[in-house]
Amino acid sequence: GQQLNQSPQSMFIQEGEDVSMNCTSSSIFNTWLWYKQDPGEGPVLLIALYKAGELTSNGRLTAQFGITRKDSFLNISASIPSDVGIYFCAGLTSGTYKYIFGTGTRLKVLA
Amino acid sequence: EAGVTQSPTHLIKTRGQQVTLRCSPISGHTSVYWYQQALGLGLQFLLWYDEGEERNRGNFPPRFSGRQFPNYSSELNVNALELEDSALYLCASSFSQGQETQYFGPGTRLLVL
Repeated sequence: GQQLNQSPQSMFIQEGEDVSMNCTSSSIFNTWLWYKQDPGEGPVLLIALYKAGELTSNGRLTAQFGITRKDSFLNISASIPSDVGIYFCAGLTSGTYKYIFGTGTRLKVLA
Repeated sequence: EAGVTQSPTHLIKTRGQQVTLRCSPISGHTSVYWYQQALGLGLQFLLWYDEGEERNRGNFPPRFSGRQFPNYSSELNVNALELEDSALYLCASSFSQGQETQYFGPGTRLLVL
């Protein structure tokens, strides 16, 4: 199936460090969503973006809707052990009514 | 407010059997989506139901089917199970029109032996 390119695939960082990940697509999207998934659980919505250039924060998380509408970025500041999990981006193309999901970034935080 | 609920949480079946998974959306949501997530992989879109009708379908064979009931809950049926059907099956719901933000349930983990 079709998927977005999400990078990095995995990250090992020290507690307190900042984290950056991104998603890129060959298609233009109208909506970008960022989810976090813990093992064996369903994804939990972190941030939703609806306009090109939009920058939205949720606590220590900040996400941006790229100006070209083909990419999005998620930053986590001052990481803590509970940030461990898999982060997925999802994009929606106008008219398709179908979200395309990124391949995921697996984050591990070392205390 | 209750989130998306799914049942059962876990299921073990053998090859060739049939399985039915259930999903109840968030109150007020009329759209239900089904995704398959194989171990260590991303989410693959299966089906989208809205107002009782199938609106879109992913690249899966016809033995994957489902329906949505008048109360907007939904079932996913998988016939003639194959080993590669082993996965976490996730249901999500949203307000109508398919462009709204989706909220996920905890998933049903299916193991096919």
